[in-house]
Amino acid sequence: DAKTTQPPSMDCAEGRAANLPCNHSTISGNEYVYWYRQIHSQGPQYIIHGLKNNETNEMASLIITEDRKSSTLILPHATLRDTAVYYCLSRGTGNQFYFGTGTSLTVIP
Amino acid sequence: DAGVIQSPRHEVTEMGQEVTLRCKPISGHDYLFWYRQTMMRGLELLIYFNNNVPIDDSGMPEDRFSAKMPNASFSTLKIQPSEPRDSAVYFCASSFSGLLTEQFFGPGTRLTVL
Repeated sequence: DAKTTQPPSMDCAEGRAANLPCNHSTISGNEYVYWYRQIHSQGPQYIIHGLKNNETNEMASLIITEDRKSSTLILPHATLRDTAVYYCLSRGTGNQFYFGTGTSLTVIP
Repeated sequence: DAGVIQSPRHEVTEMGQEVTLRCKPISGHDYLFWYRQTMMRGLELLIYFNNNVPIDDSGMPEDRFSAKMPNASFSTLKIQPSEPRDSAVYFCASSFSGLLTEQFFGPGTRLTVL
């Protein structure tokens, strides 16, 4: 199963786009990339997932590179409520997965 | 639906004591997951069940940890004997299909072992 690598922390100005990168260079062809976020003291919350194509929902957009070795989660207009830890993870066919320590995003007023 | 329910929300115990954490998944969900979160290791999957049967317990740290799911609406995670290094937040999550996209997490139990 693929392990993922994320920067430990990032800042973003309120109202601007937040772009959170993730490296999953060992991902295999059948592994999806998932993004969750965790607001302080709460359980993680699902955001978005994808396999090959870029995805968009009401919360965010997910851009996956053509070689699938990395992806970027985009919050188009960050708000203070988007301050959280963002996890990029992948799931293998064996239903095992790895959350890690994620990226702590701070949205600055 | 009330969501995933965990109890207790906070637990403080002394080293060597038995600790039991409880979880009630969302009704109709057939997968249940137990996670542990610490500053050092982040969020780790300990074990998960499908239709009350343990599927993968490779994340369980050692024999002091055990988990059961006697029915579709209840699961326990037990630590016996507890040690200070077990101090963490323990999350329970449930899903309908087992996919990451559909996991709903509970509020967590903050365990402190003195």
